[in-house]
Amino acid sequence: SQTIHQWPATLVQPVGSPLSLECTVEGTSNPNLYWYRQAAGRGLQLLFYSVGIGQISSEVPQNLSASRPQDRQFILSSKKLLLSDSGFYLCAWSGALQETQYFGPGTRLLVL
Amino acid sequence: AQSVTQPDIHITVSEGASLELRCNYSYGATPYLFWYVQSPGQGLQLLLKYFSGDTLVQGIKGFEAEFKRSQSSFNLRKPSVHWSDAAEYFCAVGPMDTGRRALTFGSGTRLQVQP
Repeated sequence: SQTIHQWPATLVQPVGSPLSLECTVEGTSNPNLYWYRQAAGRGLQLLFYSVGIGQISSEVPQNLSASRPQDRQFILSSKKLLLSDSGFYLCAWSGALQETQYFGPGTRLLVL
Repeated sequence: AQSVTQPDIHITVSEGASLELRCNYSYGATPYLFWYVQSPGQGLQLLLKYFSGDTLVQGIKGFEAEFKRSQSSFNLRKPSVHWSDAAEYFCAVGPMDTGRRALTFGSGTRLQVQP
Protein backbone atom coordinates (compact mmCIF):
# COMPACT_ATOMS: atom_id res chain seq x y z
CA SER A 1 0.00 0.00 0.00
CA GLN A 2 1.01 3.59 -0.49
CA THR A 3 2.20 5.79 2.34
CA ILE A 4 3.26 9.40 2.47
CA HIS A 5 5.67 10.87 4.97
CA GLN A 6 6.45 14.42 5.93
CA TRP A 7 9.45 15.67 7.85
CA PRO A 8 9.69 17.35 10.29
CA ALA A 9 6.36 17.22 12.10
CA THR A 10 6.91 20.54 13.84
CA LEU A 11 9.36 23.35 13.22
CA VAL A 12 10.04 26.68 14.92
CA GLN A 13 12.25 29.01 12.93
CA PRO A 14 13.33 32.65 13.25
CA VAL A 15 12.42 35.20 10.62
CA GLY A 16 15.02 35.30 7.87
CA SER A 17 16.20 31.73 8.34
CA PRO A 18 16.08 29.12 5.57
CA LEU A 19 13.53 26.35 5.32
CA SER A 20 13.47 22.82 4.00
CA LEU A 21 10.45 20.55 4.36
CA GLU A 22 10.53 17.07 2.94
CA CYS A 23 7.82 14.82 1.61
CA THR A 24 8.32 11.25 0.46
CA VAL A 25 5.89 8.74 -0.97
CA GLU A 26 6.23 4.97 -0.85
CA GLY A 27 4.48 2.23 -2.75
CA THR A 28 3.81 4.02 -6.01
CA SER A 29 5.67 5.28 -9.06
CA ASN A 30 5.47 8.53 -10.98
CA PRO A 31 2.97 10.18 -8.64
CA ASN A 32 1.69 13.71 -8.97
CA LEU A 33 2.87 15.61 -5.89
CA TYR A 34 1.43 18.70 -4.25
CA TRP A 35 2.29 21.18 -1.53
CA TYR A 36 -0.57 22.96 0.26
CA ARG A 37 -0.56 25.51 3.06
CA GLN A 38 -3.28 25.79 5.63
CA ALA A 39 -3.31 28.99 7.62
CA ALA A 40 -5.11 29.06 10.96
CA GLY A 41 -8.87 29.08 10.48
CA ARG A 42 -8.64 28.92 6.73
CA GLY A 43 -8.87 26.33 4.01
CA LEU A 44 -6.09 24.85 1.96
CA GLN A 45 -4.11 26.86 -0.52
CA LEU A 46 -2.23 25.03 -3.26
CA LEU A 47 1.38 26.22 -3.42
CA PHE A 48 3.10 23.89 -5.89
CA TYR A 49 2.42 20.76 -7.85
CA SER A 50 4.66 18.43 -9.82
CA VAL A 51 3.88 15.83 -12.46
CA GLY A 52 7.45 14.51 -12.70
CA ILE A 53 11.08 14.89 -11.69
CA GLY A 54 12.20 18.46 -12.11
CA GLN A 55 8.73 19.60 -13.22
CA ILE A 56 7.33 22.16 -10.81
CA SER A 57 4.35 24.44 -11.25
CA SER A 58 3.83 27.35 -8.89
CA GLU A 59 0.39 28.53 -7.96
CA VAL A 60 1.14 31.53 -5.78
CA PRO A 61 4.06 33.96 -6.14
CA GLN A 62 5.94 34.06 -2.86
CA ASN A 63 9.29 33.46 -1.24
CA LEU A 64 8.82 29.70 -1.24
CA SER A 65 10.13 27.27 -3.83
CA ALA A 66 9.75 23.56 -4.48
CA SER A 67 11.93 20.89 -5.98
CA ARG A 68 11.52 17.28 -6.98
CA PRO A 69 14.95 15.69 -7.08
CA GLN A 70 13.61 12.13 -7.16
CA ASP A 71 10.42 10.50 -8.38
CA ARG A 72 8.89 10.17 -4.93
CA GLN A 73 10.50 13.09 -3.12
CA PHE A 74 9.12 16.61 -2.96
CA ILE A 75 10.86 19.41 -1.09
CA LEU A 76 9.54 22.80 -0.05
CA SER A 77 12.19 25.46 0.57
CA SER A 78 12.75 29.06 1.40
CA LYS A 79 15.92 31.13 1.56
CA LYS A 80 14.49 33.61 4.07
CA LEU A 81 11.35 32.92 6.08
CA LEU A 82 8.73 35.57 6.74
CA LEU A 83 6.30 35.75 9.65
CA SER A 84 3.50 35.15 7.18
CA ASP A 85 5.01 31.77 6.26
CA SER A 86 3.73 30.31 9.52
CA GLY A 87 1.12 27.64 8.98
CA PHE A 88 0.42 23.98 8.48
CA TYR A 89 2.04 22.53 5.37
CA LEU A 90 0.53 19.50 3.77
CA CYS A 91 1.99 17.32 1.07
CA ALA A 92 -0.28 15.19 -1.08
CA TRP A 93 0.08 12.67 -3.86
CA SER A 94 -2.14 11.29 -6.58
CA GLY A 95 -1.65 8.69 -9.26
CA ALA A 96 -0.59 10.02 -12.64
CA LEU A 97 -4.00 9.24 -14.13
CA GLN A 98 -6.09 9.59 -10.99
CA GLU A 99 -7.72 12.63 -9.49
CA THR A 100 -7.90 11.50 -5.88
CA GLN A 101 -5.31 13.10 -3.64
CA TYR A 102 -3.98 11.51 -0.47
CA PHE A 103 -2.45 13.66 2.19
CA GLY A 104 0.49 13.34 4.50
CA PRO A 105 0.41 14.09 8.23
CA GLY A 106 1.59 17.68 7.75
CA THR A 107 4.31 19.93 9.13
CA ARG A 108 3.46 22.73 11.51
CA LEU A 109 5.74 25.72 10.94
CA LEU A 110 5.98 28.62 13.34
CA VAL A 111 8.08 31.58 12.29
CA LEU A 112 9.04 33.90 15.14
CA ALA B 1 -13.35 30.34 -12.13
CA GLN B 2 -14.28 27.30 -10.11
CA SER B 3 -15.01 27.63 -6.44
CA VAL B 4 -16.30 25.69 -3.46
CA THR B 5 -18.51 27.12 -0.74
CA GLN B 6 -19.12 25.59 2.65
CA PRO B 7 -21.63 27.99 4.17
CA ASP B 8 -21.41 26.66 7.73
CA ILE B 9 -18.17 27.55 9.47
CA HIS B 10 -19.10 25.80 12.69
CA ILE B 11 -21.81 23.24 13.52
CA THR B 12 -22.66 21.68 16.87
CA VAL B 13 -24.76 18.53 17.11
CA SER B 14 -25.60 16.14 19.90
CA GLU B 15 -24.17 12.66 19.89
CA GLY B 16 -26.59 10.32 18.15
CA ALA B 17 -28.21 13.09 16.15
CA SER B 18 -28.13 13.24 12.37
CA LEU B 19 -25.71 15.46 10.51
CA GLU B 20 -25.68 17.27 7.22
CA LEU B 21 -22.77 19.43 6.07
CA ARG B 22 -23.38 21.62 3.07
CA CYS B 23 -21.16 22.08 0.06
CA ASN B 24 -21.88 24.07 -3.09
CA TYR B 25 -19.56 24.38 -6.03
CA SER B 26 -19.14 26.42 -9.14
CA TYR B 27 -17.66 24.54 -12.05
CA GLY B 28 -18.06 24.55 -15.81
CA ALA B 29 -18.67 20.84 -16.19
CA THR B 30 -19.44 17.89 -13.97
CA PRO B 31 -16.63 17.98 -11.46
CA TYR B 32 -14.94 15.39 -9.41
CA LEU B 33 -16.09 15.94 -5.82
CA PHE B 34 -14.51 14.97 -2.55
CA TRP B 35 -15.04 15.17 1.18
CA TYR B 36 -12.06 15.07 3.53
CA VAL B 37 -11.91 15.10 7.33
CA GLN B 38 -9.14 16.61 9.42
CA SER B 39 -8.63 15.99 13.12
CA PRO B 40 -6.69 18.67 15.03
CA GLY B 41 -3.03 18.74 14.06
CA GLN B 42 -3.46 15.95 11.54
CA GLY B 43 -3.48 15.58 7.79
CA LEU B 44 -6.60 15.17 5.70
CA GLN B 45 -8.30 11.81 5.39
CA LEU B 46 -10.48 11.02 2.39
CA LEU B 47 -14.07 10.23 3.41
CA LEU B 48 -15.60 9.72 -0.01
CA LYS B 49 -15.50 10.84 -3.61
CA TYR B 50 -17.79 11.21 -6.60
CA PHE B 51 -16.62 10.89 -10.16
CA SER B 52 -19.69 9.65 -12.02
CA GLY B 53 -22.56 7.19 -11.80
CA ASP B 54 -24.79 6.78 -8.76
CA THR B 55 -25.26 10.21 -7.23
CA LEU B 56 -25.45 8.81 -3.70
CA VAL B 57 -21.95 7.91 -2.58
CA GLN B 58 -21.04 5.85 0.45
CA GLY B 59 -17.84 6.55 2.33
CA ILE B 60 -15.93 5.46 5.37
CA LYS B 61 -17.05 5.90 8.98
CA GLY B 62 -20.73 5.72 8.02
CA PHE B 63 -20.75 8.91 5.94
CA GLU B 64 -22.54 9.41 2.67
CA ALA B 65 -22.91 12.28 0.24
CA GLU B 66 -25.34 13.08 -2.53
CA PHE B 67 -24.46 14.87 -5.74
CA LYS B 68 -27.25 17.13 -6.97
CA ARG B 69 -26.39 18.64 -10.31
CA SER B 70 -29.41 20.96 -10.37
CA GLN B 71 -28.34 22.51 -7.08
CA SER B 72 -24.57 22.32 -7.66
CA SER B 73 -24.34 20.65 -4.28
CA PHE B 74 -22.55 17.73 -2.70
CA ASN B 75 -23.78 17.58 0.89
CA LEU B 76 -22.28 15.19 3.42
CA ARG B 77 -24.58 13.26 5.74
CA LYS B 78 -24.42 10.85 8.62
CA PRO B 79 -27.52 9.39 10.30
CA SER B 80 -26.04 9.19 13.81
CA VAL B 81 -23.03 11.20 14.90
CA HIS B 82 -20.42 9.78 17.28
CA TRP B 83 -18.22 11.88 19.57
CA SER B 84 -15.20 10.78 17.52
CA ASP B 85 -16.65 12.57 14.47
CA ALA B 86 -15.69 15.92 15.97
CA ALA B 87 -13.25 17.37 13.44
CA GLU B 88 -13.05 19.75 10.52
CA TYR B 89 -14.58 18.72 7.23
CA PHE B 90 -13.50 19.95 3.82
CA CYS B 91 -15.30 19.70 0.52
CA ALA B 92 -13.13 19.80 -2.60
CA VAL B 93 -13.58 19.99 -6.35
CA GLY B 94 -11.22 18.88 -9.06
CA PRO B 95 -9.59 18.84 -11.45
CA MET B 96 -9.57 22.36 -12.71
CA ASP B 97 -7.97 21.38 -15.96
CA THR B 98 -6.19 18.35 -17.30
CA GLY B 99 -2.80 19.93 -16.89
CA ARG B 100 -3.15 21.16 -13.37
CA ARG B 101 -4.84 18.19 -11.71
CA ALA B 102 -5.26 20.06 -8.48
CA LEU B 103 -8.12 20.40 -6.03
CA THR B 104 -9.98 23.49 -4.95
CA PHE B 105 -11.05 23.30 -1.32
CA GLY B 106 -13.81 24.96 0.59
CA SER B 107 -12.93 26.81 3.76
CA GLY B 108 -14.10 23.95 5.95
CA THR B 109 -16.81 23.25 8.53
CA ARG B 110 -15.81 22.56 12.10
CA LEU B 111 -18.03 19.96 13.75
CA GLN B 112 -18.48 19.88 17.49
CA VAL B 113 -20.30 16.96 19.10
CA GLN B 114 -22.08 17.42 22.41
CA PRO B 115 -22.50 14.44 24.76
